[in-house]
Amino acid sequence: NAGVTQTPKFRVLKTGQSMTLLCAQDMNHEYMYWYRQDPGMGLRLIHYSVGEGTTAKGEVPDGYNVSRLKKQNFLLGLESAAPSQTSVYFCASRKRGTSRSEQYFGPGTRLTVT
Amino acid sequence: QQQVKQSPQSLIVQKGGISIINCAYENTAFDYFPWYQQFPGKGPALLIAIRPDVSEKKEGRFTISFNKSAKQFSLHIMDSQPGDSATYFCAAMAGNTGKLIFGQGTTLQVKP
Repeated sequence: NAGVTQTPKFRVLKTGQSMTLLCAQDMNHEYMYWYRQDPGMGLRLIHYSVGEGTTAKGEVPDGYNVSRLKKQNFLLGLESAAPSQTSVYFCASRKRGTSRSEQYFGPGTRLTVT
Repeated sequence: QQQVKQSPQSLIVQKGGISIINCAYENTAFDYFPWYQQFPGKGPALLIAIRPDVSEKKEGRFTISFNKSAKQFSLHIMDSQPGDSATYFCAAMAGNTGKLIFGQGTTLQVKP
C-alpha cells in the first residue's frame, strides 16, 4: 500500500496563477483533510471531507476550494494564488469509526507563490 | 486565537536525558489529545495519544501526562536518543469529525 500520496511535491507559482493539488489514498478511508503548515503556526486545517461528495470548511478556508468526487481522491484548488499562500500543504486521511482513530499524513507539497 | 498552546518552541537535550514538551488548551469540549512526530521532509505521524479520563499513558520511552483541571498535557521522552530529533506537535480534537487543532510545534535536537 502506498498510503497517502500527494502530487506535486514542489511547485512555484506567480501571483494570480491557479493550480490544483492532488491527494490520493489507497486505504479506503472515509475522511480526508487538507492542512497547511507554516513556521511557528503548527498545522492548520483548510478543508475536510467526511465522505465522497461532501466537503466542509476548516480553520483557514479562504482562498481555497476542494472537491471529493471519488472516495480515494481529495483535490485542493487555488484559484488566484497569493504570496500568503506560500506554505507546505499536507493531506491526511482517517478511517471512519471512533473519533480517536489515527490520521495518516502524506509527504507534503511545498508551494511558493512569488 | 490559538486554542492549543505549545512550549517550548525548541529544545536541546543530551543523549540519555529527558525531553519534556508542554501543551495547554482552552476548549473543554476536547476529548482526544494526540502527539505527532515529524521528521524533516516528511508528513507528521501519530506517536501517542490520550483521552481525558486517564492521567497518564506510557508507550516505551514516551509518556503523556494529562491534567484535566489545569487543561494541560505534556510529552515526556525518557532516555532521549539522537534518532528522536524531530518536530513534535501536540493536538486536540472534539467530536467525531476528526478535526485536529495543533499546537505550534517543538523542534527537538538530541545531542550525542
